[in-house]
Amino acid sequence: AQSVTQLGSHVSVSEGALVLLRCNYSSSVPPYLFWYVQYPNQGLQLLLKYTSAATLVKGINGFEAEFKKSETSFHLTKPSAHMSDAAEYFCAVSEGGYNKLIFGAGTRLAVHP
Amino acid sequence: GAGVSQSPSNKVTEKGKDVELRCDPISGHTALYWYRQSLGQGLEFLIYFQGNSAPDKSGLPSDRFSAERTGGSVSTLTIQRTQQEDSAVYLCASSPGTGSNSPLHFGNGTRLTVT
Repeated sequence: AQSVTQLGSHVSVSEGALVLLRCNYSSSVPPYLFWYVQYPNQGLQLLLKYTSAATLVKGINGFEAEFKKSETSFHLTKPSAHMSDAAEYFCAVSEGGYNKLIFGAGTRLAVHP
Repeated sequence: GAGVSQSPSNKVTEKGKDVELRCDPISGHTALYWYRQSLGQGLEFLIYFQGNSAPDKSGLPSDRFSAERTGGSVSTLTIQRTQQEDSAVYLCASSPGTGSNSPLHFGNGTRLTVT
């Protein structure tokens, strides 16, 4: 079965600093990978997805992620953090051929002035 | 509406009571998913519908949990004889298809508190 591990349940950065949220996956087949963001009291919103077309994936709000097969990683980055980026971020892998998502435990991002 | 709608947004119930949680997916979306989000367990898959059928209900935690979907649209998740460990946010998502280019659209969830 596929699984996802997110390193760091909490990450804190200064406004304007680089954001790096780590995700490693385990999959026996080429994976479909996703990053979702959840703002307080809201559902999840898709940031970006990897579906094997390109290893560097650009998403919304200036985020991007790079798929590295050799490292089984799909880390999320943003060059310059904004206060509005404060939220919880989830990495997920698709299983079963019907978009059943297996989520990581999530990383809560705090951005301070 | 434009998005996935879930009701109620909050539900407080006494242990042992039954509850029904409703999900209105985006019109035309054939796939519908229920997830549970709780402290310590993260986001757990519960059940997947394609149309009115549920090919994968492997995530339902016990036989107290059931779900149905009618008319290829609205879905109801029912929890019977609620227990305190059922307290969580229940999220519904829909998708126009099941391919990788069909992202899931999530509702804002129903926060269930069992006292």
